[in-house]
Amino acid sequence: DAGVIQSPRHEVTEMGQEVTLRCKPISGHNSLFWYRQTMMRGLELLIYFNNNVPIDDSGMPEDRFSAKMPNASFSTLKIQPSEPRDSAVYFCASSLGGASYNSPLHFGNGTRLTVT
Amino acid sequence: KQEVTQIPAALSVPEGENLVLNCSFTDSAIYNLQWFRQDPGKGLTSLLLIQSSQREQTSGRLNASLDKSSGRSTLYIAASQPGDSATYLCAVEDNTDKLIFGTGTRLQVFP
Repeated sequence: DAGVIQSPRHEVTEMGQEVTLRCKPISGHNSLFWYRQTMMRGLELLIYFNNNVPIDDSGMPEDRFSAKMPNASFSTLKIQPSEPRDSAVYFCASSLGGASYNSPLHFGNGTRLTVT
Repeated sequence: KQEVTQIPAALSVPEGENLVLNCSFTDSAIYNLQWFRQDPGKGLTSLLLIQSSQREQTSGRLNASLDKSSGRSTLYIAASQPGDSATYLCAVEDNTDKLIFGTGTRLQVFP
């Protein structure tokens, strides 16, 4: 079990550029979550998918953020255009559960995004 | 709106001590509560999950309790070791189907 795999581990980009973060969930898990972690706000849920379908995207900050899950083994989080306030660590997590969190979440090691 | 608070924010103890980390939440209508560990530069690792109908869960030297009515959970770590040094976060799932995280307790266990 390779765990949840995220890429890249670090991303440094200039304001206005497009950023794409990638996630491969654990095989067999049917729920996938994108979180953002900052010192000021802690961990925030951005969006979660169940069986590849977006269930709740109310945490997505604004229209500059979008997420897709074209199949059960891959998801992307895109920011276009990026802004300095988007700098954070972005985590992807997956679980066996459905909309409920009754199954433990498994997190990737995150992508540290810096927007200058 | 559910709010999750963890006290203390940071804790430093000598190896071998038993210690307690606290988590409180404002809305007792929760489905479950989870404790996580986060090492620097890493993601979160799930330690224990307590369903709303349960009062505690144990895993090795870790014991987590849940008191829904008072909005509290504690994580007890027995015989602490330097390898336990990490940030510990609790999170509750409430009736909005969201997992709300606390801000964590940063633990350092020194030899």
